[in-house]
Formats: sequence, C-alpha cells, structure tokens
Amino acid sequence: DTGVSQDPRHKITKRGQNVTFRCDPISEHNRLYWYRQTLGQGPEFLTYFQNEAQLEKSRLLSDRFSAERPKGSFSTLEIQRTEQGDSAMYLCASSLGGAGVGYNEQFFGPGTRLTVL
Amino acid sequence: SQQGEEDPQALSIQEGENATMNCSYKTSINNLQWYRQNSGRGLVHLILIRSNEREKHSGRLRVTLDTSKKSSSLLITASRAADTASYFCASTYYGNNRLAFGKGNQVVVIP
Repeated sequence: DTGVSQDPRHKITKRGQNVTFRCDPISEHNRLYWYRQTLGQGPEFLTYFQNEAQLEKSRLLSDRFSAERPKGSFSTLEIQRTEQGDSAMYLCASSLGGAGVGYNEQFFGPGTRLTVL
Repeated sequence: SQQGEEDPQALSIQEGENATMNCSYKTSINNLQWYRQNSGRGLVHLILIRSNEREKHSGRLRVTLDTSKKSSSLLITASRAADTASYFCASTYYGNNRLAFGKGNQVVVIP
C-alpha cells in the first residue's frame, strides 16, 4: 500500500501527558498537512509543510502543539500537557505541489484517534 | 470562517437512486475537492475541480462548479449501499494551501 500512513491508529492518554504521532506521506509528495477532526465536524487545518519547511500554522495550533518534518519525508505532531479538549481524530494528508492534472489533490491517511482521559 | 459549507441535509435514498448534495463557499477559490468518509474512518479523495472548470466526471460521480454562485454540487448516480458515508467538500483559495471543509452531508443508501 503506497498511501499515507499514520501511527498509532489509536492513543489513549491521561490529561497532562505528552503524545507524539507520526505520518508517512506518499513518497513523491512534497507537501504534508495536519488536520484535526472532532465528532460531527469536518476536519480543521492545523499546519502545512513544503518539504522540510513549515509554511503555515493555524491559530488552532497552540504552543502545546509542535510539528516537524526534519528530512522532508515523514512528519511528527507532538502535543504536550494534553487536555481533554485535545481529544479528536488527527489526520495527515499529502499532496504534490504544482500545476496541472494530479497536482494539489490532498490524500489523507487513516488518522490517529486521540482520547484524553 | 470555513469555506465550503454543505447544505445541512441528511439524505436517505433507495439503492439505485441518484443522490445530489450541494456545497457553497464564501470567497474566490483555487480549487474545490470532494471527499467521502465512512463512519469513524479516514477521508477518501473523490474528485478535484479547478476554478476554471465547470463540470467533471469520475465513474458514477459528477461534480459541477458555479463560480458566479460560489457553489458546487456532487451527484452520485445509481447509488449502492457501499456509498453510505459522509461527504465533504473542501476548498482552497489563492495564496493558501489549506483545505477548508464544511460539516459534511450524511448519505444513507438503503439496500
């Protein structure tokens, strides 16, 4: 399977703990995105990388959240001092930036479901 | 505010019927994408339509875009039970790569 993969698929943690999620994009995609989705809502944008550079961050991304893409391939999203309000599905997507057919289509991974107790 | 807001309706149709859902957005877009999501699972990319396109087809899917009305529609023809899902539209606008999603349309296809 050459799609976007995410690990872990599920994470249960206690309030105040730190958690880290990993995303592996489609190999030739230079753009990587993180979104968060809560029940009954559409996904909300968190942050975006082009290669290893983090180019956009949503105001939803508080200082407890940090994302990296150190070599321009996989990415990690860390949440420090988790709160119950952080409980959500965290989705990663990737795309090929550019013009023309097939570019800019964002393909999503299966997500990491976080539950903060 | 989020771009891409589907008509807040839940559709329940019989297998074989067509399903139509609509989406509106607020400002000029670069492109608009439709996704399907089965209960509690990831998003599956269905189709992308660019701002200079008016209609696209992919299998049983037909998407239209009306930039004068800032709206898009997704038609699923000859629906199947496996089409039961939530459908989201999401737009990107110029100078920005983020997708702005609506709340989704619940479609239930009854066998």
